[in-house]
Amino acid sequence: GEDVEQSLFLSVREGDSSVINCTYTDSSSTYLYWYKQEPGAGLQLLTYIFSNMDMKQDQRLTVLLNKKDKHLSLRIADTQTGDSAIYFCAESGGATNKLIFGTGTLLAVQP
Amino acid sequence: ETGVTQSPTHLIKTRGQQVTLRCSSQSGHNTVSWYQQALGQGPQFIFQYYREEENGRGNFPPRFSGLQFPNYSSELNVNALELDDSALYLCASSLAGQGAKNIQYFGAGTRLSVL
Repeated sequence: GEDVEQSLFLSVREGDSSVINCTYTDSSSTYLYWYKQEPGAGLQLLTYIFSNMDMKQDQRLTVLLNKKDKHLSLRIADTQTGDSAIYFCAESGGATNKLIFGTGTLLAVQP
Repeated sequence: ETGVTQSPTHLIKTRGQQVTLRCSSQSGHNTVSWYQQALGQGPQFIFQYYREEENGRGNFPPRFSGLQFPNYSSELNVNALELDDSALYLCASSLAGQGAKNIQYFGAGTRLSVL
């Protein structure tokens, strides 16, 4: 079946690194994604990784993909208070490339 | 800014009524997907439109229907509203087709409250 799981909450201090983890079930997913949602807003695409890659780095963001364990992580370096939001992991499935989302991880950054 | 716009931003309806939500896709995109996000949950796929036809549907009843227009904009219609339909409705546009990555970019959403 299709299922994406994330931990619900992460609290870090400003300037520290944050690591948000996700597990997924569909090994045929072509892409895996991280989206950010601020209160009352839509989803902002942060980054995505193609399934044949192990790592992708984009400025302060590093995505690691372990296909054997179906585990995806997002590392945010030098976390800022503006990074406080809910982070969603998503896998894409089927001919429509529909997105299957986790329940989201609330990242709270303490000053 | 993704270039995906949704209207209205907020809407209040009563049970049994009908509602139409609208989405304008990003320039150059030919596919629109709709998602429902209940409070405290991740978004759930409702359906997708590609070249004006439904191209896949999630686990939603037939009272959820949609349209895509020649300019690739889209509507989501919900009939016989129920209290559980209260949610944030998100539209995402993408470019599908051979060689395209079909990466989805989201609008800000329409928050529907059913009383």
